[in-house]
Amino acid sequence: LAKTTQPISMDSYEGQEVNITCSHNNIATNDYITWYQQFPSQGPRFIIQGYKTKVTNEVASLFIPADRKSSTLSLPRVSLSDTAVYYCLVVPPGSSASKIIFGSGTRLSIRP
Amino acid sequence: DTGVSQDPRHKITKRGQNVTFRCDPISEHNRLYWYRQTLGQGPEFLTYFQNEAQLEKSRLLSDRFSAERPKGSFSTLEIQRTEQGDSAMYLCASSLVGPLDNEQFFGPGTRLTVL
Repeated sequence: LAKTTQPISMDSYEGQEVNITCSHNNIATNDYITWYQQFPSQGPRFIIQGYKTKVTNEVASLFIPADRKSSTLSLPRVSLSDTAVYYCLVVPPGSSASKIIFGSGTRLSIRP
Repeated sequence: DTGVSQDPRHKITKRGQNVTFRCDPISEHNRLYWYRQTLGQGPEFLTYFQNEAQLEKSRLLSDRFSAERPKGSFSTLEIQRTEQGDSAMYLCASSLVGPLDNEQFFGPGTRLTVL
């Protein structure tokens, strides 16, 4: 199983761009990189998924270098409502559900 | 609202009692997952179903835990003889089987407190 490492916590201010980096040195060829967001007292919410280079949606961008050993979730112009825990997962599609490991995530705090 | 729903949202019980939680997934989703989450940790996989078949169970799922999905729609998770260590948030999620089935849709969870 590809293990991921991400910072325990990060702080930023409203209007800033926030980049959360995840290391996954043992990523396998078939693995996709997936990010979830979780607000207090709610279930996680899928944000973005990618395999290589760059993926962008209405919420975030995901940057994946050529060696795929790390990835960076980029949140543009954050607001207070982006305060949440962000989880980086590395999983091959269609795999056993037990391989979906969330870890402890990165606790992002946004200040006014 | 066509998202994943869970019932109840909160449950307080005394040690030794049995509890049952219900999850209603998104209607067209054929996979249903149960997770447990404790404070400060990410969700931990417990078990999952594809349609009505329970395909995998975590070693975290002791013999006091049982899950069913009788008609491939809603699912129940029962904990017998609850212990204080069972106190946690129990999350249900659903997804479609497919090439990119890593996108799971989570419910709001059931918070269990065992006194």
